[in-house]
Amino acid sequence: GAVVSQHPSWVICKSGTSVKIECRSLDFQATTMFWYRQFPKQSLMLMATSNEGSKATYEQGVEKDKFLINHASLTLSTLTVTSAHPEDSSFYICSARSGRIPNEQYFGPGTRLTVT
Amino acid sequence: SQQGEEDPQALSIQEGENATMNCSYKTSINNLQWYRQNSGRGLVHLILIRSNEREKHSGRLRVTLDTSKKSSSLLITASRAADTASYFCAPYNTDKLIFGTGTRLQVFP
Repeated sequence: GAVVSQHPSWVICKSGTSVKIECRSLDFQATTMFWYRQFPKQSLMLMATSNEGSKATYEQGVEKDKFLINHASLTLSTLTVTSAHPEDSSFYICSARSGRIPNEQYFGPGTRLTVT
Repeated sequence: SQQGEEDPQALSIQEGENATMNCSYKTSINNLQWYRQNSGRGLVHLILIRSNEREKHSGRLRVTLDTSKKSSSLLITASRAADTASYFCAPYNTDKLIFGTGTRLQVFP
């Protein structure tokens, strides 16, 4: 149990376009979802925390108008990178937390974004 | 920030040897978790140790936690080439996981 999926696995887009990444909890309800970004050979950096039905809370230095997060249901959160630029190329990983087991987060397999 | 900091940053060993990674953090925690990440892949949860525990085992993994020193260690015994990966500690308080800098482990056959 506790499976989190992401779609797509990888995406290549042109500079200036927007890209949407989906994160789904497949067998549990995720009251909270988290979005992380990871640059090559670096650690995961938390971008934002989203609770179902409310606005996301962004970490310091993360532009909320550039990284739009929607958590409209208990099993789906989306991250939209708007007007993507090459410096947004990164590995984006989501994780989900069940309200039932608050201490544990379950991670998706990640989405590799390349902006050309 | 309660980000963990790991050392060493990188470690190379031969198969069969033990690998030890250390993690230090700054604030109080509910638990501390260790994850593995193979290159370019997602995270694999290895083990969770609660703040009232001092040691925990899982297969070839042994984790210790010293809350007075705000530190934890991960020991992998009898390492295998398949253990080659990056390892992250993640201190956890009531709301979110913040990842440490990671240790890149390479195990040579």
